[in-house]
Amino acid sequence: EVQLMESGGGLVQPGRSLRLSCTVSGFSFGDYAIAWVRQTPGKGLEWLGFIRSKPYGGTTEYAPSVEGRITISRDDSKRIAYLRLSSLKIEDSAVYYCVRDFGGAVAVKFNYWGQGTVVTVSS
Amino acid sequence: DIQMTQSPSTLSASVGDTVTITCRASQSISDWLAWYQQKPGKAPKLLIYRASSLEDGVPSRFSGSASGTEFTLTISSLRPDDFATYYCQQYDEYPTFGQGTKVEVK
Repeated sequence: EVQLMESGGGLVQPGRSLRLSCTVSGFSFGDYAIAWVRQTPGKGLEWLGFIRSKPYGGTTEYAPSVEGRITISRDDSKRIAYLRLSSLKIEDSAVYYCVRDFGGAVAVKFNYWGQGTVVTVSS
Repeated sequence: DIQMTQSPSTLSASVGDTVTITCRASQSISDWLAWYQQKPGKAPKLLIYRASSLEDGVPSRFSGSASGTEFTLTISSLRPDDFATYYCQQYDEYPTFGQGTKVEVK
């Protein structure tokens, strides 16, 4: 069974950074691109970016709205993908999901989702 | 970025009804469109991709179609489990989502 599980959410102060982890099981992690999507009641669902699988270069693509503040990385040996978001703002408060697409080149449509982790940015 | 506009925002229906949700893209996206279903407290679930391709395991009462920049999700013979919020999402450029359509009990 394909599973993705996010961790690392919680309360973070404005201006600080967060790092979320996405631990996967049930599929060959190294063959797939992984993306991060967040959801808020106000802005809805927002794609943040993805990282390609190593056969496709392991490169990243990011949404313009978070470019410069976001880093997505992966450790294929541990089967974990990471999201780092810096200079946090109140509006970064959201449920953060890691998601998988059908293959390794891109992660732009999402057939598997984690359960989500809540991030609250507040002083 | 490409804007996705869904209508209606809320739809009241009864079990057995056929319901239609529309999503309009602000520019051409070919057929690079997906539909998701989300229930409260849960992650979205992929229903349809490439505008009309049914994801594995999704019941055939769900169908999608496209006409230019207008896309439609149709649920035939609505079942109790179908009351949820539905989102469209384009992936022609970096992905963007519609604002959602809540299908509620009439």
